[in-house]
Amino acid sequence: QVQLQESGPGLVKPSETLSLTCTVSGGSISSYYWSWIRQPPGKGLEWIGYIYYSGSTNYNPSLKSRVTISVDTSKNQFSLKLSSVTAADTAVYYCARGSYDILTGYYNAYMDVWGKGTTVTVSS
Amino acid sequence: QSALTQPASVSGSPGQSITISCTGTSSDVGSYNLVSWYQQHPGKAPKLMIYEVSKRPSGVSNRFSGSKSGNTASLTISGLQAEDEADYYCCSYAGSSTEFGGGTKLTVL
Repeated sequence: QVQLQESGPGLVKPSETLSLTCTVSGGSISSYYWSWIRQPPGKGLEWIGYIYYSGSTNYNPSLKSRVTISVDTSKNQFSLKLSSVTAADTAVYYCARGSYDILTGYYNAYMDVWGKGTTVTVSS
Repeated sequence: QSALTQPASVSGSPGQSITISCTGTSSDVGSYNLVSWYQQHPGKAPKLMIYEVSKRPSGVSNRFSGSKSGNTASLTISGLQAEDEADYYCCSYAGSSTEFGGGTKLTVL
């Protein structure tokens, strides 16, 4: 079955750019909406955004100015970049597969496969 | 502050039923039948329990059910079991965004 694995630095300095990659195994990255979600320590989930395998994206309005999500179909990977980070960006970052309506192709806003998550700390 | 409002905590005894509410607005829960629910045990990734308001993924117990009325969605767990103790999050499509609730901690007494 499809599995997702996040990778990237666990420590990022303030004002720098956080970069994470999610590798999709057991299935193709083609089709589906590939998403990033984060969870600050002791807090709830926050949707960051998604990328469709074709490259179209949609971001959380509160993070839009700092977020870039990209996809590399040849490597079955998609990536997250979050710029100008502060301590408030410290969180567990999850990648997930977002589903779609089979008839319309529209995003269905639910994530049915998740990675295990990776902790990113922003500190000097 | 989360866009969707959930109670911070609920509790119930084994065998009982509980319901967790998720209140949004006419811009999210009220406008789309795209509400999902996730279960998260400590230190684990969230797990999809309900999608499109009331559909259950394969492998999820039929003790979990979902519904919606107006701007409020609900998750009901019947026949509570010890392993149901976890955090639960609702999620809704909101046009140009996807929103999560603040989460509800379920305690099985």
